[in-house]
Amino acid sequence: DVKVTQSSRYLVKRTGEKVFLECVQDMDHENMFWYRQDPGLGLRLIYFSYDVKMKEKGDIPEGYSVSREKKERFSLILESASTNQTSMYLCASILALNTEAFFGQGTRLTVV
Amino acid sequence: KNEVEQSPQNLTAQEGEFITINCSYSVGISALHWLQQHPGGGIVSLFMLSSGKKKHGRLIATINIQEKHSSLHITASHPRDSAVYICAAEIRYGGSQGNLIFGKGTKLSVKP
Repeated sequence: DVKVTQSSRYLVKRTGEKVFLECVQDMDHENMFWYRQDPGLGLRLIYFSYDVKMKEKGDIPEGYSVSREKKERFSLILESASTNQTSMYLCASILALNTEAFFGQGTRLTVV
Repeated sequence: KNEVEQSPQNLTAQEGEFITINCSYSVGISALHWLQQHPGGGIVSLFMLSSGKKKHGRLIATINIQEKHSSLHITASHPRDSAVYICAAEIRYGGSQGNLIFGKGTKLSVKP
């Protein structure tokens, strides 16, 4: 019954590495989102996509990029990982306004 | 500025108690979501509402659009209800539908 799947639960990467976080949904949703969650700050929007190959910056896009080549897959890329990108990353998808949001299980990324 | 405010931040209750978590928002919304996050990170949707009241088991969510306020109630609380509860305001954002602005969450601990 899994609907939104993130590729890793836990990830440890070195400073400067290029990091790929993958998210796949099986509900044919057009809207997909990447958030990071930090203590005291809550969830903050990094990037979102409302169609294949369409992407828009969220509130904190610096240091990140995204790719949406297929409708079901939305990838978050850390071009050159830094320690301040250590965080919990959550992917979500939603069909349309006024519909339920579905979240992945989260990826806890540590950059050392 | 915080567009979505939750209270309280932390809540400890005894098993069986009636619990209320409040959420106020300052933006125009299309819907209000209540989410639950257990330790380990995954987020599940509890309710999505744009007016009135919804009930699911021991959980009840209400919203007052004029006052821009929503509440989540848990009746006959149980230790398994211990989690972080997050309210999120759904808005239009750029080209997407269904972008969410999150409150910082209420950490609930129910003691047996």
